[in-house]
Amino acid sequence: AQSVAQPEDQVNVAEGNPLTVKCTYSVSGNPYLFWYVQYPNRGLQFLLKYITGDNLVKGSYGFEAEFNKSQTSFHLKKPSALVSDSALYFCAVRDKRNTPLVFGKGTRLSVIA
Amino acid sequence: NAGVTQTPKFQVLKTGQSMTLQCAQDMNHNSMYWYRQDPGMGLRLIYYSASEGTTDKGEVPNGYNVSRLNKREFSLRLESAAPSQTSVYFCASSEYGRDPYEQYFGPGTRLTVT
Repeated sequence: AQSVAQPEDQVNVAEGNPLTVKCTYSVSGNPYLFWYVQYPNRGLQFLLKYITGDNLVKGSYGFEAEFNKSQTSFHLKKPSALVSDSALYFCAVRDKRNTPLVFGKGTRLSVIA
Repeated sequence: NAGVTQTPKFQVLKTGQSMTLQCAQDMNHNSMYWYRQDPGMGLRLIYYSASEGTTDKGEVPNGYNVSRLNKREFSLRLESAAPSQTSVYFCASSEYGRDPYEQYFGPGTRLTVT
């Protein structure tokens, strides 16, 4: 069975500093990995995905994620955090093209001015 | 395009009451999903429909039923609501095909069962 772990419930970072939100996964085959963001009282918004190819994936709002097969990780990164990045971030995985996404429990990012 | 729409936005039920949550998408997607979101639990899949005419159980299907009314609409029914079903419910849709497409989410329905 596929699963995702987000080891940090909360990440705090100062505005202008780099941020990392961690994600590790477990799948039986090749992973398809996704990051979503949720702002208060809103639905989830797609940020980026890894299917194959380059291990560094660029997405919306200046976010990027690094796929590491040996460490089974897909950490979300941004070089310079903004206060407006404060939100709940979810990592998700699927092991086949047309199966539903399996989500992690989420990491709350707080960017402090 | 409105994307994925859900009604109602908020609902309060008494234990034992029934209700149907409605979801519609205008992106011509084949696959649709229902998730629930609870604090500290992330999103858990209730039911999904890979294509029109098919439905499958997810991780937490007990107490729920679904209907894929047509390609656009996918409803979730609570026959006899319980306090454990207090949650935020999200509908999502995606393409179905050669690539692992992302899912698009609606704004959610916040349900309280007293």
